[in-house]
Amino acid sequence: SAVISQKPSRDICQRGTSLTIQCQVDSQVTMMFWYRQQPGQSLTLIATANQGSEATYESGFVIDKFPISRPNLTFSTLTVSNMSPEDSSIYLCSVTDYNEQFFGPGTRLTVL
Amino acid sequence: GENVEQHPSTLSVQEGDSAVIKCTYSDSASNYFPWYKQELGKRPQLIIDIRSNVGEKKDQRIAVTLNKTAKHFSLHITETQPEDSAVYFCAASTGAAGNKLTFGGGTRVLVKP
Repeated sequence: SAVISQKPSRDICQRGTSLTIQCQVDSQVTMMFWYRQQPGQSLTLIATANQGSEATYESGFVIDKFPISRPNLTFSTLTVSNMSPEDSSIYLCSVTDYNEQFFGPGTRLTVL
Repeated sequence: GENVEQHPSTLSVQEGDSAVIKCTYSDSASNYFPWYKQELGKRPQLIIDIRSNVGEKKDQRIAVTLNKTAKHFSLHITETQPEDSAVYFCAASTGAAGNKLTFGGGTRVLVKP
């Protein structure tokens, strides 16, 4: 299965600031996904990152708040902009490999 | 869009007993149903999945069943062990958009020794 890494693994940020999370895969993948997992909750898809085109956002998530880049087939970034305490969550990237979906280790974000 | 309901939200079983988690989905076009196990502080790990052309799939102590007509699927863990304690998530996908997944709310399983 694909090996996925994320940076940073965790961060503590002040409200009003922005954080960019990186996701690196060890093989080329067509689709990369960004999920949010709020404390004690399930996983919610933020957007699908497509190489060479704009990301596709799910209902309730907008590009201004969560801009995404996908410069090539092995890398993507998610930015959490103008953060508030409600953005405190684990952010996970995932990829589809051989029709199965695998997750990165996650980025634990705390906003004060 | 797709909606996945998962029950129960918590499940406590005695070591050696069986555990069953049930999920229902709303979109009849869904055709892929994975189950993930998430231990505390770790990423979700795929433990088993089933596609709509199969009614049941088994892997050692874990089995998943699918009823397409009723739009529900279940995870069965037999001979539970303390290391089975974790949060389990079901999910569904239509297979479109590169397997975009909709997750159930999760079941916290505690196996008591």
